[in-house]
Amino acid sequence: EVQLLESGGGLVQPGGSLRLSCAASGFTFSNFAMSWVRQAPGKGLEWLSATSGSGGSTYYADSVKGRFIISRDNSRNTLYLQMNSLTAADTALYYCAKVAMPGPPNWFDPWGQGTLVTVSS
Amino acid sequence: DIQMTQSPSSLSASVGDRVTITCRASQGISNYLAWYQQKPGKVPELLIYAASTLQSGVPSRFSGSGSGTDFTLTISSLQAEDVAIYYCQKYNSVPLTFGGGTKVEIK
Repeated sequence: EVQLLESGGGLVQPGGSLRLSCAASGFTFSNFAMSWVRQAPGKGLEWLSATSGSGGSTYYADSVKGRFIISRDNSRNTLYLQMNSLTAADTALYYCAKVAMPGPPNWFDPWGQGTLVTVSS
Repeated sequence: DIQMTQSPSSLSASVGDRVTITCRASQGISNYLAWYQQKPGKVPELLIYAASTLQSGVPSRFSGSGSGTDFTLTISSLQAEDVAIYYCQKYNSVPLTFGGGTKVEIK
């Protein structure tokens, strides 16, 4: 069974940084692209970033380009999201999601349970 | 970037009704479209990919259609457990944009 477990969320001050982790199990991690998606309180889903199976290709939404960095450690089956220069607009539940099919980023299945990031002074 | 627009943003229907949700892409995306269901307080779950392929385990009352710019998600007979927000997502290229969501409630 595929499992994704996010961690690293919490309360951070505006301008601060946070690193999220997503521990994956139940599949050959390096064979699949992975992605981060967030959901602000009471709002819809926003795709943030994706990385290829090798980590050699990365993709970002304009809203986080230059502030967030996606990476992965295939030896540890773990996906990361380094978030810098955080603002209140970044307050959200952050989901890790497995890209369903090998190859370029496509649809997501499954999703992790999410980790909550709150940006506030 | 391609924008994804869902309509309606919310709907209320009776158990047993046929429900249709529309997702429109601002440019053609072939059939590179997925649908997700997010029940209250839960994680999004995949319903349909490639516009019309039902994910394993999803009830057959759900179906998807469309290609190019116009897509629909249909629930043939709405059940109480279908109360959720439904999202479309394009994946022909990055950014992997989601639609704004459609909230489905029981009348």
